[in-house]
Amino acid sequence: DAMVIQNPRYQVTQFGKPVTLSCSQTLNHNVMYWYQQKSSQAPKLLFHYYDKDFNNEADTPDNFQSRRPNTSFCFLDIRSPGLGDAAMYLCATSALGTSGGLSSYEQYFGPGTRLTVT
Amino acid sequence: AQSVTQPDIHITVSEGASLELRCNYSYGATPYLFWYVQSPGQGLQLLLKYFSGDTLVQGIKGFEAEFKRSQSSFNLRKPSVHWSDAAEYFCAVDTGGFKTIFGAGTRLFVKA
Repeated sequence: DAMVIQNPRYQVTQFGKPVTLSCSQTLNHNVMYWYQQKSSQAPKLLFHYYDKDFNNEADTPDNFQSRRPNTSFCFLDIRSPGLGDAAMYLCATSALGTSGGLSSYEQYFGPGTRLTVT
Repeated sequence: AQSVTQPDIHITVSEGASLELRCNYSYGATPYLFWYVQSPGQGLQLLLKYFSGDTLVQGIKGFEAEFKRSQSSFNLRKPSVHWSDAAEYFCAVDTGGFKTIFGAGTRLFVKA
């Protein structure tokens, strides 16, 4: 089945130690998103890629970076994690326009990576 | 400013009872509206969506939602709740420009 995969599902890192979370998709969608979700809150969009075009949300801290080496993969890098960065990180994809049955705007989410900062 | 309001932080219903989760949005143009469900420790799964046309939309798992433009609402309903429906439910509006605004969520508890 086509899907969005996130690895690892659980990540523990130390305060200030860089960490990378990964996301891959088999949906061939051209848009990929990273969200941060803290307990009992709505997902908060950090940034997205439309193909290779990167768009950072205005309030996303500089500590958060992303890479998309190809259509299938997208990475979230946290350069110096703080205690406040502990959260669930969700990757999502969407396709724009209609092609071969793909729908616009709805997002397909991965299972998330739970990040703990010690 | 665009926003999505889910007025109920949590709701408890008995198994077999009907369910309605409320959602109000603020958006100038015709909205693209969604309901997502999130089980504990999992990602979000799309339940249903409204883009245009028939204002009553059917989704997966027996859910439906009705778009009411005059009330700026998109309430989610299910006629008979199952214990497996216990989860967090998010209403969302796509504002264009790859930006989806999510409501704060409503946690559903199902009692036997």
